[in-house]
Amino acid sequence: DAGITQSPRYKITETGRQVTLMCHQTWSHSYMFWYRQDLGHGLRLIYYSAAADITDKGEVPDGYVVSRSKTENFPLTLESATRSQTSVYFCASRKGGDGGEAFFGQGTRLTVV
Amino acid sequence: GDSVTQMEGPVTLSEEAFLTINCTYTATGYPSLFWYVQYPGEGLQLLLKATKADDKGSNKGFEATYRKETTSFHLEKGSVQVSDSAVYFCALSRNMFSGGYNKLIFGAGTRLAVHP
Repeated sequence: DAGITQSPRYKITETGRQVTLMCHQTWSHSYMFWYRQDLGHGLRLIYYSAAADITDKGEVPDGYVVSRSKTENFPLTLESATRSQTSVYFCASRKGGDGGEAFFGQGTRLTVV
Repeated sequence: GDSVTQMEGPVTLSEEAFLTINCTYTATGYPSLFWYVQYPGEGLQLLLKATKADDKGSNKGFEATYRKETTSFHLEKGSVQVSDSAVYFCALSRNMFSGGYNKLIFGAGTRLAVHP
C-alpha cells in the first residue's frame, strides 16, 4: 500500500532496554523526520534526514539514534530507554522544498516502565 | 532559532460559532507557513498552507493569511461543526538555501472542542 507506515503502533518496554521504531514510505521522498508528541510541548523534532545516509539532529536528539541506508526506511532507536521517553512518536516524509506537504504516519505510542 | 507560538487551548465553541486560533512565528528570511490538523488517534494531516507574504491558504472552510508585517498566520473559520473537533498545529519551514533544511517546526497545538 502506498503511504507512510510506522510499526509497531503500540509498544511497552522496560527501562534500559533498546527499542527500535520503524518507519517506511513508498513515495521515495527525500526528506524524513521523527517527532515526539507530548502534552504541552506539541511536536518536537528528534532527527531528520535529507537523503539516504544524510541525517542530522533536531531539537531533542539525546538518547536516540537514527540511520537511513535506504531512501524508504528511517528507523529510530532508543539505545537505553528511559521513562522520560514515554511518548507518541511520529514519522513524516516530505518530497522536498519548503512549501511541500509533509505526510505523517499513524504514530507509535511507546510506554517505558 | 525558528519557533512558532500558538494560543493555548482548549478552545470550546458551540456549533456554527466563529473560530480564530492565533499563530505567530519567529524565523529568519521567508518561511512557508502551514496549519496541520490531528483528529483523535491519527497522525497529522495538512489543512492549508501559504508560501509567501500576503498569500491566503484555504481548505474546508478554514482560512489563514500570511502576514509578514505581524509575523502571523491566524486560522479562521466562519462556522464550525462538531466534526471540526481536533488539535490544530501551526508550523513553519525554511528551505536549505536559507539554512532551514526543510524542517517543519511546530507550535504546541490548540485543541478545539465543538459542541452541538
